[in-house]
Amino acid sequence: AQSVTQLDSHVSVSEGTPVLLRCNYSSSYSPSLFWYVQHPNKGLQLLLKYTSAATLVKGINGFEAEFKKSETSFHLTKPSAHMSDAAEYFCVVSRSGGAGNKLTFGGGTRVLVKP
Amino acid sequence: DVKVTQSSRYLVKRTGEKVFLECVQDMDHENMFWYRQDPGLGLRLIYFSYDVKMKEKGDIPEGYSVSREKKERFSLILESASTNQTSMYLCASSLYLANTGELFFGEGSRLTVL
Repeated sequence: AQSVTQLDSHVSVSEGTPVLLRCNYSSSYSPSLFWYVQHPNKGLQLLLKYTSAATLVKGINGFEAEFKKSETSFHLTKPSAHMSDAAEYFCVVSRSGGAGNKLTFGGGTRVLVKP
Repeated sequence: DVKVTQSSRYLVKRTGEKVFLECVQDMDHENMFWYRQDPGLGLRLIYFSYDVKMKEKGDIPEGYSVSREKKERFSLILESASTNQTSMYLCASSLYLANTGELFFGEGSRLTVL
């Protein structure tokens, strides 16, 4: 069975400093991986996705993530945090066995950006 | 832009009441989903639908049912609400399968069951 672990429930950064959100997954096959963001009182929005093409994936708002199969990781980074990055971030993994509409979400990482 | 609208943002119901949560999408998407969001647990799939009148159970369907009579509308029904169903409910839609495409989410319906 697929699972995903977000290693930090909360991350606090200063504006202008790098952001690193850590995600590890387990899967018996080569999964698709996603990062979604949820701003306060809003629905989730896709940041980026990995679907077995380039291992370094660029997303919206300056975010990127690197798929590392050997480490079963898909960490999300941004070189310079902005106040508008304060939100909750979810790492998501697809499932095998024809379950094309079923995804497994991580528990979320809440990001606080200090001025 | 794709818009997914959940008509009720906040609801307070009593134990045993029947609850309807409505979701409408305006982009002619085939797939629609209902998720439940709880702190620390991320999102968990309740039901999804890949076509009108078609539905499939997700990971936590117990205590819930769904209805999709029209392509743009997907309803979640709690036949007899219980306190452990107090949660945030998120509706989503997608053109392609969720594992290849993008899910578009509504802003959520926060349900409190007393």
